[in-house]
Amino acid sequence: KNEVEQSPQNLTAQEGEFITINCSYSVGISALHWLQQHPGGGIVSLFMLSSGKKKHGRLIATINIQEKHSSLHITASHPRDSAVYICAVEGTNTGNQFYFGTGTSLTVIP
Amino acid sequence: KAGVTQTPRYLIKTRGQQVTLSCSPISGHRSVSWYQQTPGQGLQFLFEYFSETQRNKGNFPGRFSGRQFSNSRSEMNVSTLELGDSALYLCASRPYRALTDTQYFGPGTRLTVL
Repeated sequence: KNEVEQSPQNLTAQEGEFITINCSYSVGISALHWLQQHPGGGIVSLFMLSSGKKKHGRLIATINIQEKHSSLHITASHPRDSAVYICAVEGTNTGNQFYFGTGTSLTVIP
Repeated sequence: KAGVTQTPRYLIKTRGQQVTLSCSPISGHRSVSWYQQTPGQGLQFLFEYFSETQRNKGNFPGRFSGRQFSNSRSEMNVSTLELGDSALYLCASRPYRALTDTQYFGPGTRLTVL
């Protein structure tokens, strides 16, 4: 049983398209994180959410605590957005242990 | 500020050996977490240290251990290496353990067990 489910697993988009990646979780959480991982391994934390919505440039992240669901949106996608996007949650029942989704591999074609 | 640094970046060991990986957090950060990433299992949480104390531990066998020093630098140790321990090991730091703290990841140590 996976505590965090992401969809889609793979996503190919044309440059300029609006992209949505979804994340559902089954545990009580203190925070949800969206991470970006480029080839080569480096991980960057994009957002940390405990409620509502956050925006950073072309990226928007939302969370619905009642529905245990979060979305990551990329507006006007660009080839440099090509990466793996990972949803992670800090569980409240386990002393803030982290659970990770399997990631969404995004390719943006020029 | 310098980012999170991990040493070594690459490591090759043989089964049965032990290995120690090091993580230096961003200056002023007191929380360090360790993660294992493999193609089959993805990212998995190993443990978190805060102020030299292990605050949380994931579901890994006792062969995996860690510690944190008074300067917040952290080490993780894997004893009696198995082929399945081949992975990218990442550490991340944050100032405290507050809900407002985002994590900053290091570049990782890629461990290959032969």
